[in-house]
Amino acid sequence: GQQLNQSPQSMFIQEGEDVSMNCTSSSIFNTWLWYKQDPGEGPVLLIALYKAGELTSNGRLTAQFGITRKDSFLNISASIPSDVGIYFCAGHPTGGGNKLTFGTGTQLKVEL
Amino acid sequence: NAGVTQTPKFRVLKTGQSMTLLCAQDMNHEYMYWYRQDPGMGLRLIHYSVGEGTTAKGEVPDGYNVSRLKKQNFLLGLESAAPSQTSVYFCASSSTSGGAFGETQYFGPGTRLLVL
Repeated sequence: GQQLNQSPQSMFIQEGEDVSMNCTSSSIFNTWLWYKQDPGEGPVLLIALYKAGELTSNGRLTAQFGITRKDSFLNISASIPSDVGIYFCAGHPTGGGNKLTFGTGTQLKVEL
Repeated sequence: NAGVTQTPKFRVLKTGQSMTLLCAQDMNHEYMYWYRQDPGMGLRLIHYSVGEGTTAKGEVPDGYNVSRLKKQNFLLGLESAAPSQTSVYFCASSSTSGGAFGETQYFGPGTRLLVL
């Protein structure tokens, strides 16, 4: 099955820094979703994107639906220790109905 | 409103044993899903259901069976557990409102399964 390519695989940054991660696909997606997973927990939805070019913010998080519909980006501004976790992109590919395809995750570690 | 709950939280099985994982949601969602999460693999869909009494295969269905006898519950069964089924299992649910695309899935806390 298809999986989305997510990069970087892991990041080790200092508190206060901005973070960028992206997700790419070889096929077109109708929606893009960004989830965060804390250790021992299930993924929690951060941002949902529904239109190509859409830019959506949720507090310090901003995500964009790529114009080509084959990629998406997540930015976190002024990172704090609680941003630690694994960030997953996910999306609904064209013709996939309600089934989500997930990226492999970006693990974020924040140094105080 | 508990959202999506899963039981048990953790289980150890011996090869060949059987077990059932229970997922329950109180959001009146039509769709429910079972995923497995392995290191470096993200989440992979095992089976899903688009309504009470219906089930369908996902990406990695072999070795698992599911049932959706009640709208709020989705059961995942392992008839004869194998070490390759050691994983973290997540259940999720979503509604059908809002159009054909973009319905977000809400996840449970996960069940950690170790097969020896």
